[in-house]
Amino acid sequence: QVQLVQSGAEVKKPGASVKVSCKASGYTFTSYYMHWVRQAPGQGLEWMGIINPSGGSTSYAQKFQGRVTMTRDTSTSTVYMELSSLRSEDTAVYYCASEGYCSGGSCYVTGWFDPWGQGTLVTVSS
Amino acid sequence: EIVMTQSPATLSVSPGERATLSCRASQSVSSNLAWYQQKPGQAPRLLIYGASTRATGIPARFSGSGSGTEFTLTISSLQSEDFAVYYCQQYNNWPSFTFGPGTKVDIK
Repeated sequence: QVQLVQSGAEVKKPGASVKVSCKASGYTFTSYYMHWVRQAPGQGLEWMGIINPSGGSTSYAQKFQGRVTMTRDTSTSTVYMELSSLRSEDTAVYYCASEGYCSGGSCYVTGWFDPWGQGTLVTVSS
Repeated sequence: EIVMTQSPATLSVSPGERATLSCRASQSVSSNLAWYQQKPGQAPRLLIYGASTRATGIPARFSGSGSGTEFTLTISSLQSEDFAVYYCQQYNNWPSFTFGPGTKVDIK
């Protein structure tokens, strides 16, 4: 089955960058899109962006344009999310989540996210 | 950007009772709506997609309805494991996605 395993918790100072990884298994890595969603403490879910692991193309939420970079390494079936110029408001749990459906040799976008990684807590504090 | 709202913010329900959660979109999203359940310390779990289709392994007591701008998630008979926060998400403008603020279902 599809499984997403994320890297461990991080503590960063304001102004620094953080890079979170998400390793996929149980399916053909290039078949499904990957999203990043974050959740500040006690708050709701916020979509950050999407990467196509096949070609590496990305699309980011306007709020994060210029500060977020999503990449992938097909040799290790891993996607990465790097967020720069960190501030205290970036303290959150960051999730990766896959999107897509394959049947009969073809794969399709779906729009919903399933499954999700376990989450990575990023704490920004001086 | 499509803005999603959910009501109520908190719903207090007794085990065995029915729970009805609402989600509204600022413009039509057709049936391009999903529901997720999130328990404390856990990642969200997909419940419903296409506004009314249960995801694999989701019990039949969960049902979704609606289209356009008004959607409902119904839990027919609440079990102890159903007390959680529920989020709706629209995916009508792929690749732009937005979530609602969530409804917390707690024990009355």
